[in-house]
Amino acid sequence: AQSVAQPEDQVKVAEGNPLTVKCTYSVSGNPYLFWYVQYPNRGLQFLLKYITGDNLVKGSYGFEAEFNKSQTSFHLKKPSALVSDSALYFCAVRVPNYGGSQGNLIFGKGTKLSVKP
Amino acid sequence: DAGVIQSPRHEVTEMGQEVTLRCKPISGHNSLFWYRQTMMRGLELLIYFNNNVPIDDSGMPEDRFSAKMPNASFSTLKIQPSEPRDSAVYFCASSPWTDLAKNIQYFGAGTRLSVL
Repeated sequence: AQSVAQPEDQVKVAEGNPLTVKCTYSVSGNPYLFWYVQYPNRGLQFLLKYITGDNLVKGSYGFEAEFNKSQTSFHLKKPSALVSDSALYFCAVRVPNYGGSQGNLIFGKGTKLSVKP
Repeated sequence: DAGVIQSPRHEVTEMGQEVTLRCKPISGHNSLFWYRQTMMRGLELLIYFNNNVPIDDSGMPEDRFSAKMPNASFSTLKIQPSEPRDSAVYFCASSPWTDLAKNIQYFGAGTRLSVL
C-alpha cells in the first residue's frame, strides 16, 4: 500500500535555529512528493514539490526539502526558523497512474511546528 | 483570483439533519477535490472530479455522503442524515487538469462542521 509517514507529531525549535520536519514514504514506482503548510483556521498551502531532477528542492518562504531515494525520505528543512513559521506541515505523495487515480494525493498526518522567540 | 471559495465557514447542526457544503473552484481548474480533516484520521480524500465527472469516490465513508459537480464552477458535498462522527473540517481543493500528477492543489479555507 502507498503511504506517507511523519514520525513526529510536534517539532519545537528556537527562532534562528535550523529546523527539520521529517517525512518518509512507501510507494511502488517513482513518487511525486509535496509539502504543504496549514496555518490556523486556513486551508493548506503548497510549499514545494519534487518531481524529478535535483534532489534538493527549494520552495516558498525559504523552505527546502531533500529527496533521498535510498532512505525513502523527503525531509523539510529551513536554515533559520521564524516565529511565523509556526504551523502544521503536511507531507504528501502522488504516484502517477496509481490505480487509475492519478490525482490522488496521499497525505501524512501532519507535524506541528512551534518556533519560540 | 479569489482562490477556492467554500461556504459556509462554520456549520452547526443537529444529528439527523441534512448538511450541504459548497465549493467554488478557481476559474479554469478542471479538477476538484473534497477532503475531510479530523484529529484522529488526519486529512482524508473523499472524492475528486475531473471535468465535472467523479473519478475516485472510494474515500466517501458511506451512503450518507454524496457529492455533485453540476458545472465547472460549483460543487456540493451533502451529508444526509448527519451524525456526530461527521464533525470535522471539510476542505475543497482545485487543480489544473494538465498533468494532474505533477500539479499542486489549491485549498479553500474549509468548512468546520459540528453535528450535535
